Amino acid sequence: AQKVTQAQTEISVVEKEDVTLDCVYETRDTTYYLFWYKQPPSGELVFLIRRNSFDEQNEISGRYSWNFQKSTSSFNFTITASQVVDSAVYFCALSEATNYGQNFVFGPGTRLSVLP
Amino acid sequence: NAGVTQTPKFRILKIGQSMTLQCTQDMNHNYMYWYRQDPGMGLKLIYYSVGAGITDKGEVPNGYNVSRSTTEDFPLRLELAAPSQTSVYFCASRKEQGTGITYEQYFGPGTRLTVT
Repeated sequence: AQKVTQAQTEISVVEKEDVTLDCVYETRDTTYYLFWYKQPPSGELVFLIRRNSFDEQNEISGRYSWNFQKSTSSFNFTITASQVVDSAVYFCALSEATNYGQNFVFGPGTRLSVLP
Repeated sequence: NAGVTQTPKFRILKIGQSMTLQCTQDMNHNYMYWYRQDPGMGLKLIYYSVGAGITDKGEVPNGYNVSRSTTEDFPLRLELAAPSQTSVYFCASRKEQGTGITYEQYFGPGTRLTVT
């Protein structure tokens, strides 16, 4: 069975601080996909990144970076120099390649508040 | 492209009433999904479809029905609404076949439903 854990329920930081959101996953598949989504206060879900299980290269996109480590089953998300507009709920998700249609499991989310 | 659209945006139902939540996508995606998001929680899969005429249950299907007569549309039917169905409902889609496969799901803006 697949599972996604986001142990941090809520995080508050002051603007310009760096913050890391943790994501730990469980899967029996050797091929799987990991995702991060952002849900701002307006409520929509915005896709941020996808990572394949066979590509452990970390990725940086502007102030965002992602650290994928298969050895610890983690896919952590770091925001550098946080801004108020980063305030949102962030979801980590997992999809197994062998059960694509059904299994797209979301973690419970981490609410990030960036204070001015 | 409009992407994934959902109607209505808000709805209040009385206990026992029925309604249909509409979802349409114009990206020619074959996979479509319905999720519910309860307050402060992550997303739970209600139903999904891998193509026109094919649907299957997700994690929390009780009290709901779906149909998929076309590639574009994936309506969710609530019969005999109950307070436990108060939630935000998200429709999502992705492409699995042919060229331009997307592993990530693209979400509609959501429908906020209250049952009193």
